[in-house]
Amino acid sequence: KAGVTQTPRYLIKTRGQQVTLSCSPISGHRSVSWYQQTPGQGLQFLFEYFSETQRNKGNFPGRFSGRQFSNSRSEMNVSTLELGDSALYLCASSPGTAPYEQYFGPGTRLTVT
Amino acid sequence: GEDVEQSLFLSVREGDSSVINCTYTDSSSTYLYWYKQEPGAGLQLLTYIFSNMDMKQDQRLTVLLNKKDKHLSLRIADTQTGDSAIYFCAEPHRSSNTGKLIFGQGTTLQVKP
Repeated sequence: KAGVTQTPRYLIKTRGQQVTLSCSPISGHRSVSWYQQTPGQGLQFLFEYFSETQRNKGNFPGRFSGRQFSNSRSEMNVSTLELGDSALYLCASSPGTAPYEQYFGPGTRLTVT
Repeated sequence: GEDVEQSLFLSVREGDSSVINCTYTDSSSTYLYWYKQEPGAGLQLLTYIFSNMDMKQDQRLTVLLNKKDKHLSLRIADTQTGDSAIYFCAEPHRSSNTGKLIFGQGTTLQVKP
């Protein structure tokens, strides 16, 4: 099976802009979760989508949003970018049932200048 | 609290065993996970353990679980230079036993030739 793919791999944006990141999960997986990884805060959960519905949400401001399509592909959007949004954004794919193991993509490195 | 705790750094000689420790927070967690992250890459699922198990072995990896102390460890036998990476333990958030994982801050394993 093909693994989790994320596009783009690298992105440079300026403050105030918005960005959309894309994730294609492993075929047959219905759950997609998003995480932000920074040196200071480590890995932090953003949200999880399962069968096109948001199932879990982390403690991020409303500027961070996501969605999932009927083919399980997911996008996350960050509006009004801030310098602190610079991070590695990781997408994880899961069957969505026990043992809920998650398989991660390579990530999108976002730099905000 | 919600913090999963890990020591930050471990250095071993090639051929020795490595033991990476983790303390988790939620005694009701049903599954606990170990991930590996190499530089510039996403997270690779190494193994997981169900909470009704004390031990799980998978080739060179052995996971030990002490539920009473909420302590999890990952032992890597015959450690190789290719094992140099950051290792994360993770548990599901107490509000969700699905796709919302809480990660430790990661243990950097350095393997010296």
